[in-house]
Amino acid sequence: QVTLRESGPALVKPTQTLTLTCTFSGFSLSSDEVCVSWIRQPAGKALEWLARIDSDDTRYYSTSLRTRLTISKDTSKDQVLLTMTSMDPVDTATYYCARPKGCYDGYVYLFDHWGQGIRVTVSS
Amino acid sequence: DIQMTQSPSTLSASVGDRVTITCRASQDIRTWLAWYQQRPGKAPKLLIYKASILETGVPPRFSGSGSGTDFTLTISSLQPDDFATYYCQQFSSYSEYSFGQGTKLESK
Repeated sequence: QVTLRESGPALVKPTQTLTLTCTFSGFSLSSDEVCVSWIRQPAGKALEWLARIDSDDTRYYSTSLRTRLTISKDTSKDQVLLTMTSMDPVDTATYYCARPKGCYDGYVYLFDHWGQGIRVTVSS
Repeated sequence: DIQMTQSPSTLSASVGDRVTITCRASQDIRTWLAWYQQRPGKAPKLLIYKASILETGVPPRFSGSGSGTDFTLTISSLQPDDFATYYCQQFSSYSEYSFGQGTKLESK
């Protein structure tokens, strides 16, 4: 059974760096053709894909946010980390980690396993 | 960028009703279309992908159809658990995806 769970701070101040952890089970990021993404959703708004890391450590980032994002993995702990620098109130959102149906073609954006999400508020 | 437009934005219905939500893509996406259900405070749940393939475990009262630019999600007999927000998503290529703005299905 695949599960994912996000953890991290609920509140960060503007200009600070956010670090989120996704702890997963039921699969291994050391296996071929496995990948994990981070996605966020401001309250009442659409989902926005942020970043993805593949089992071979290849990393992909949202074009609009790539300068602020770093995704990494700790295979020994079954974790994927996301850091986002220069946090701003517009970054207030629920952040999800998710595993897609496949790590090829458009299936990289088809998410069939999600964490429960973590609500992050950016405020002084 | 491919724009996805859902209608209606809000839909009022009763248990037992047959409901249909539509999604239109700004260009041909063949059948690279998915539908998600999201309940308040919960993560989205994949219902249908490739326009009409039912995800494992999803009740058969949910169905999807369409190709090209016009797609529909149909719930044949609405159940209390089905009141939620529904999103369509195109995933037509390795480098592009986009979601619709959502349709809130509420109890009449």
